[in-house]
Amino acid sequence: ETGVTQTPRHLVMGMTNKKSLKCEQHLGHNAMYWYKQSAKKPLELMFVYSLEERVENNSVPSRFSPECPNSSHLFLHLHTLQPEDSALYLCASSQETSGDLSYNEQFFGPGTRLTVL
Amino acid sequence: QQPVQSPQAVILREGEDAVINCSSSKALYSVHWYRQKHGEAPVFLMILLKGGEQMRHEKISASFNEKKQQSSLYLTASQLSYSGTYFCGTEGRGNQFYFGTGTSLTVIP
Repeated sequence: ETGVTQTPRHLVMGMTNKKSLKCEQHLGHNAMYWYKQSAKKPLELMFVYSLEERVENNSVPSRFSPECPNSSHLFLHLHTLQPEDSALYLCASSQETSGDLSYNEQFFGPGTRLTVL
Repeated sequence: QQPVQSPQAVILREGEDAVINCSSSKALYSVHWYRQKHGEAPVFLMILLKGGEQMRHEKISASFNEKKQQSSLYLTASQLSYSGTYFCGTEGRGNQFYFGTGTSLTVIP
């Protein structure tokens, strides 16, 4: 496997279910990201992890819970979601998180298409 | 905080040129450009840094005006493969990173 992989690719869940999205990067990067992409809306950054520490949490509801056990894996735990949470969830990784004048190309996974019924 | 892109959509004939603009209300350290084809993940095109040179990716180039907090993406002699949605991503202080509203580009034969 190369690059950034995400599983599952498609997920349908009820509002009372608990599920998890998984992301794995094979690039040796230090930083990983979760994004939400809804129809006709820009990509929304949800969480950023650098060296397994969360460095950014953009006011995301607590029904989304990230976990980064090591620099290669990132999870997004989902519980009691709402229909408006239906979207494409993209994972990305980069060599390091942003700093002043740092180079920070992000590599994206294929995404998980989530539908909440 | 989210940068605004213009135009929202553009249709070009093969070989024509286009410019996509990205404007932010905040001071920027860098601007990223990505292209996303339908049903696929965004793919990196280039990053422009403060005080850096104009960047180039094949026949696509971009500039970054730090004072105006703007970036422009120039697509020259467009090809069918250029079709997709183009996003700018702006990096401000700390780890604040926001993607723009997106510009849908369609190149027709």
